[in-house]
Amino acid sequence: DAKTTQPTSMDCAEGRAANLPCNHSTISGNEYVYWYRQIHSQGPQYIIHGLKNNETNEMASLIITEDRKSSTLILPHATLRDTAVYYCIVRVGIGANSKLTFGKGITLSVRP
Amino acid sequence: NAGVTQTPKFRILKIGQSMTLQCTQDMNHNYMYWYRQDPGMGLKLIYYSVGAGITDKGEVPNGYNVSRSTTEDFPLRLELAAPSQTSVYFCASSRPGLAGGRGRDTQYFGPGTRLTVL
Repeated sequence: DAKTTQPTSMDCAEGRAANLPCNHSTISGNEYVYWYRQIHSQGPQYIIHGLKNNETNEMASLIITEDRKSSTLILPHATLRDTAVYYCIVRVGIGANSKLTFGKGITLSVRP
Repeated sequence: NAGVTQTPKFRILKIGQSMTLQCTQDMNHNYMYWYRQDPGMGLKLIYYSVGAGITDKGEVPNGYNVSRSTTEDFPLRLELAAPSQTSVYFCASSRPGLAGGRGRDTQYFGPGTRLTVL
């Protein structure tokens, strides 16, 4: 079972920031938070990951609360091409025994 | 790099038929995975491999077999197709990252194979 909970869906206006929340209250100290997205009919695409510090890359920012029980993925300037299902995943285990467990994710709809 | 490639893109099988879904990666990744995704659901891990000659079961292995004779290839075999195996199948690969390194074990996915069993 996924260790995360996400809203089912949300929308935002094109050009605005999209803030996608995720709860992972049972996360352990050495478990990473990963975000992937899946555009319709395509394979999932890695976005970003983090352990306890906030992270930023060319695609997004990841804000993890100090207690690590929740996080927010921020797409700073959403475009229509960002419409997708976004998966928040806690990577359980380490090395060969670690797994990504994909839940249902949150469907982000970016409107013109 | 082509990344992760999968063939075929689409396939329709009759109940009881067998087939092999092909997956190849050219990134020299040690780890490879097979997932299935049913409509409106997340991905479920079928099998994975941490290197040539080594495979292990994931969450839903029944009805499937895999082999890993080379680093590049990780075929998935369906021996007796059943309607419950109608799904989209994704192959992925990753390179175990250094401890604390960025991109730690990030998985790269192929475009998927859409399989229908009638």
